[in-house]
Amino acid sequence: DTAVSQTPKYLVTQMGNDKSIKCEQNLGHDTMYWYKQDSKKFLKIMFSYNNKELIINETVPNRFSPKSPDKAHLNLHINSLELGDSAVYFCASSQVVVGRNTEAFFGQGTRLTVV
Amino acid sequence: KQEVTQIPAALSVPEGENLVLNCSFTDSAIYNLQWFRQDPGKGLTSLLLIQSSQREQTSGRLNASLDKSSGRSTLYIAASQPGDSATYLCAVNAGGTSYGKLTFGQGTILTVHP
Repeated sequence: DTAVSQTPKYLVTQMGNDKSIKCEQNLGHDTMYWYKQDSKKFLKIMFSYNNKELIINETVPNRFSPKSPDKAHLNLHINSLELGDSAVYFCASSQVVVGRNTEAFFGQGTRLTVV
Repeated sequence: KQEVTQIPAALSVPEGENLVLNCSFTDSAIYNLQWFRQDPGKGLTSLLLIQSSQREQTSGRLNASLDKSSGRSTLYIAASQPGDSATYLCAVNAGGTSYGKLTFGQGTILTVHP
């Protein structure tokens, strides 16, 4: 039973298209995140949501719009895709108590290729 | 701004060798530090979480230490095996207004050859 699952695993699309990535966690955590891993394998946070509320937005272009319908789900919608958006996107979750993080768990990643 | 550095960037060792991976961070005001493993084309697997109040954590052949005041952590792998080959990432959580945000190092690519 996968703790953090995201779909799809691979996404190939043309420039200018709009696409979504879905994420679900069954750990009962209250906080979910999107991280981006670039071509140099460097991981950086994009967004975090706590109990469906946006907490962190790390100066990500507004073409990226996360949505959290409930505590267990965090989706990422990307408009007008650009070549530079090609990367691996990871969803993660943890429990945050007074701003402090418990062990974080990551999904398998979505490899987005924009052509 | 927190910065995390991992040394070495890559390491190749023969099977059976004990090895140490290093992680340093610039801001010692962290709440915890987490070590991950990433296999090629895969997600991140959590290996060890070490709280700021702890000096070390152990899981099987893995031992992570933390020296918060000097901004350093090490991951010790005993009796390495080819199956240990992967990228190892350390990440720190500052707590407070960072709200669970992890700041990652760039990773150490480990190759253990038979």
